[in-house]
Amino acid sequence: KAGVTQTPRYLIKTRGQQVTLSCSPISGHRSVSWYQQTPGQGLQFLFEYFSETQRNKGNFPGRFSGRQFSNSRSEMNVSTLELGDSALYLCASSWEAGGLPDTQYFGPGTRLTVL
Amino acid sequence: AQTVTQSQPEMSVQEAETVTLSCTYDTSESDYYLFWYKQPPSRQMILVIRQEAYKQQNATENRFSVNFQKAAKSFSLKISDSQLGDAAMYFCAYRSAYSGAGSYQLTFGKGTKLSVIP
Repeated sequence: KAGVTQTPRYLIKTRGQQVTLSCSPISGHRSVSWYQQTPGQGLQFLFEYFSETQRNKGNFPGRFSGRQFSNSRSEMNVSTLELGDSALYLCASSWEAGGLPDTQYFGPGTRLTVL
Repeated sequence: AQTVTQSQPEMSVQEAETVTLSCTYDTSESDYYLFWYKQPPSRQMILVIRQEAYKQQNATENRFSVNFQKAAKSFSLKISDSQLGDAAMYFCAYRSAYSGAGSYQLTFGKGTKLSVIP
């Protein structure tokens, strides 16, 4: 079974631009979570989607948004990029068991650099 | 809110030796899951081991085992017969087992960088 895939792997943008990152979960996984990883703040939860609905959102400004499609693929969007948005963005998918998400499996990440 | 603390930013171990990485957490919940993830320099986060809080038996996966002390809120990872491929960042993570917002996210520690010396 193929793992979680994320595209693109690397991205360079300038301040003020917007960016869209994509995540394809493991086949059969309907829950997709996004995390931001930086040297200073570590791994921080962005949001989680299940069946096209956002179930939880982390403490990030409204510039960060996401969505999930009917095939469980997910995208996250960051508008009006700031230098501090430079980070590794990780996507994770999980099976849903008994109404609760199971173990999360991560993709390789998208390295975003904002100049 | 739950917090996860990894007090050892860096550790090193000789190849074939055993090393233990520490993790403590703070929670008021009685049911939860704990995880150790490994992130090699290639950056792909890989699940190492998982522990359910309601299980008293410590989880093991080949050379990896945990020492789960629920009362002390401690969850250490022991790597036996260390190999060069074990060199990576290791993250301890917590997830609630109760339905609701908390069960959908992992709370991570800051990580421990493990070096393996040939």
